[in-house]
Amino acid sequence: DAGITQSPRYKITETGRQVTLMCHQTWSHSYMFWYRQDLGHGLRLIYYSAAADITDKGEVPDGYVVSRSKTENFPLTLESATRSQTSVYFCASSARTAGSNQPQHFGDGTRLSIL
Amino acid sequence: QKEVEQDPGPLSVPEGAIVSLNCTYSNSAFQYFMWYRQYSRKGPELLMYTYSSGNKEDGRFTAQVDKSSKYISLFIRDSQPSDSATYLCAMKTQNFVFGPGTRLSVLP
Repeated sequence: DAGITQSPRYKITETGRQVTLMCHQTWSHSYMFWYRQDLGHGLRLIYYSAAADITDKGEVPDGYVVSRSKTENFPLTLESATRSQTSVYFCASSARTAGSNQPQHFGDGTRLSIL
Repeated sequence: QKEVEQDPGPLSVPEGAIVSLNCTYSNSAFQYFMWYRQYSRKGPELLMYTYSSGNKEDGRFTAQVDKSSKYISLFIRDSQPSDSATYLCAMKTQNFVFGPGTRLSVLP
């Protein structure tokens, strides 16, 4: 099915471990985004990518690494997980037309718990 | 002051009621305005997308933008229990900024 899929849906890990969250979209959207959603903060942008091999920091990038070797994939890595990174992570994508980003479309999230 | 403010609720209404959800913002450069619906344990789903001041209607949903007051609203007519969700407003210039969301419960 066309759309945006995230994996895993749920993950439990320990502090200090490396964790990679996967995101795959089938729309060929040029833009992809990673957000975290926490109570009281709403959605906060971690990183985004305008195209393959182009990434940029968002509001809360510390402790995270991204890559985008292919247009359809945008993995997010926590290099050494900390408890403060326990959250729900959403990946999103959007097309760019007439010089403007279209609204974002979201995956169903990864619920990450760090013990 | 946060860029986008939204009453977190929860807001409980009886089935069939008209629901009004609101956001205020501080950045006059915002040009595009969106409303998303988010069910529990799901991702946000785009409901409405508008650029200009005024009203935009889609079925039971009406989005209203007042740029002079920096205020946007989403109205839901004939609310249904299936409308129970969290509603996020969003707006953008170069980047997207989301409100924290309002939890809505429509009681049968």
